[in-house]
Amino acid sequence: QVHLVESGGGVVVPGTSLRLSCAASGFTFSSHSIHWVRQAPGKGLEWVAVILYDGSKKHYADSMKGRSTISRDNSNNSVYLQVNSLTVEDTAIYYCVRDSTFYSGFDWPDYWGQGTLVTVSS
Amino acid sequence: EIVLTQSPATLSVPPGERATLSCRASLSVSTDLAWYQQRPGQAPRLLIHGASTRATGIPARFSGSGSGTEFTLTISSLQSEDSAVYYCHQYNNWPPWTFGQGTKVEI
Repeated sequence: QVHLVESGGGVVVPGTSLRLSCAASGFTFSSHSIHWVRQAPGKGLEWVAVILYDGSKKHYADSMKGRSTISRDNSNNSVYLQVNSLTVEDTAIYYCVRDSTFYSGFDWPDYWGQGTLVTVSS
Repeated sequence: EIVLTQSPATLSVPPGERATLSCRASLSVSTDLAWYQQRPGQAPRLLIHGASTRATGIPARFSGSGSGTEFTLTISSLQSEDSAVYYCHQYNNWPPWTFGQGTKVEI
């Protein structure tokens, strides 16, 4: 059974940084790309970033370029999202999402974690 | 960036009736379109991919259709547990991957 568990959220002050983690189990982690998708309170879904199954390619939303880094550790079945210079607009639930394709590029996201809440407030 | 526009914003349907949700893309996405259901307080769940292929374990009352720029999600014979927000998502032209703004279905 595919399982994705996010952690690292919390209440932070504007201008600071945060590192989110996603622990995966129930599938061959090293063969799947992983996305981060966020959802502001009461709002829709916003794609944030993606990393290819082997870590060789990464893509970011414009809102995250230059201040965030996605990475993965296939030996520990984990993905990370480091976000710097946080603003109140970054307040959201951050979901870790598996991409359906394996040993390939990118396709549709299929399994979602339960998310971790990041609140940016002074 | 491909913009996905969903309509209507809210849909109220009696139990047992049919609901029809629309998603329009600003450029063709072929059939690279997925639908997700998000119940209150829960993470999204994949319903449909490839515009019309049901994901594993999804009831047959959910069906998708369309290609290019026009897509439809149909829920036949609505049940109470179908109350949720439904999002379309395109994975044809990226980055960025984009989502529609959602349609709230009230039973």
